[in-house]
Amino acid sequence: DAKTTQPNSMESNEEEPVHLPCNHSTISGTDYIHWYRQLPSQGPEYVIHGLTSNVNNRMASLAIAEDRKSSTLILHRATLRDAAVYYCILRDVGRDDKIIFGKGTRLHILP
Amino acid sequence: GAVVSQHPSRVICKSGTSVKIECRSLDFQATTMFWYRQFPKQSLMLMATSNEGSKATYEQGVEKDKFLINHASLTLSTLTVTSAHPEDSSFYICSARDLLAVRGTQYFGPGTRLTVL
Repeated sequence: DAKTTQPNSMESNEEEPVHLPCNHSTISGTDYIHWYRQLPSQGPEYVIHGLTSNVNNRMASLAIAEDRKSSTLILHRATLRDAAVYYCILRDVGRDDKIIFGKGTRLHILP
Repeated sequence: GAVVSQHPSRVICKSGTSVKIECRSLDFQATTMFWYRQFPKQSLMLMATSNEGSKATYEQGVEKDKFLINHASLTLSTLTVTSAHPEDSSFYICSARDLLAVRGTQYFGPGTRLTVL
């Protein structure tokens, strides 16, 4: 999997939007951008993924730069339950390969 | 969404004993399951890929004789930590790839916390 770079940690106030950045300057044309998150003492859970266009689902939005070298996960209204480690992962699903996790961003939500 | 379960959720054992952890896909079939290990404040580290009906593929540095993996059916993979020692204490997480879902879809189990005394 190609390498991604994320800030180690971020803080946000409850009920405010959160923008979690991810840099992936070596992304290839067949790499999808996936986001997973891991709540404390739980297994990771899928959040969202995209290829080129911005994506929205019930959990979050994914904004992908035009050159695809960076992306941003957007939580529109953070709650205390969104406190977790967020992982940005590139996957070439044409190879249907294993998921390799980086260090991720630990998101703290302030009440 | 699809559910992956792990049993037990937590286990405490004495040094030198073996511990078996089960990973089940509850509502889908998984030809491939993955086993991860996570130490406190660290990221998940992939240990091995478990393939139904064949031998597991281990990542570099993971001892295959210590971490025995069996994937006997399309819904069950087991990880056995043999002769466990305190340094094996960790959070073990499995994931399963849905055979029929969109390519690349994986679901993670809730994890098993192993403490070796």
